[in-house]
Amino acid sequence: GENVEQHPSTLSVQEGDSAVIKCTYSDSASNYFPWYKQELGKGPQLIIDIRSNVGEKKDQRIAVTLNKTAKHFSLHITETQPEDSAVYFCADPGGSYIPTFGRGTSLIVHP
Amino acid sequence: NAGVTQTPKFQVLKTGQSMTLQCAQDMNHNSMYWYRQDPGMGLRLIYYSASEGTTDKGEVPNGYNVSRLNKREFSLRLESAAPSQTSVYFCASRLEARQPQHFGDGTRLSIL
Repeated sequence: GENVEQHPSTLSVQEGDSAVIKCTYSDSASNYFPWYKQELGKGPQLIIDIRSNVGEKKDQRIAVTLNKTAKHFSLHITETQPEDSAVYFCADPGGSYIPTFGRGTSLIVHP
Repeated sequence: NAGVTQTPKFQVLKTGQSMTLQCAQDMNHNSMYWYRQDPGMGLRLIYYSASEGTTDKGEVPNGYNVSRLNKREFSLRLESAAPSQTSVYFCASRLEARQPQHFGDGTRLSIL
């Protein structure tokens, strides 16, 4: 898999604020970019994904944006709620078809 | 609609013991994966099976073996467990490249 860097490692916000998590990747051939949410004691679950033929995709309070020139994609969560507290992972499938994951962002939403 | 099922959910072993972690998926997916998750390290790939009949090493394969028993099942074996293998193990599957992965809920393994 290719190198994927994810920032920040921890993000603490107040309920109602927005949260942004960013990932950078190295393989210019990548064309599928998923985001996963992992709740305590569970496996990661897909929450949103984007393909390289679009720059942004939204699903209610979450959105993903892609900048292929700069090789980064971001997860945006608006109007955060306590149930958004979890660990979020980006992944880059890379040219070898083996998904490479970022190290994760622990999002804490304070009521 | 079970998705990916892992057994057992918890296990405690003594150093040197062996065990097999089981994984099964009911989504007719072609590819299956084993990851370990340690604090601050994210998800690290141990082994994967791109399709039935094939297996390949991932980032951290030492001390593990795998078997793709059929299209549904992919097992991970620890032949001689070591304390460094204490971790949470996740199995995942997906239909094909550039599709989302589906994860099980993990096996929490402690080796004393």
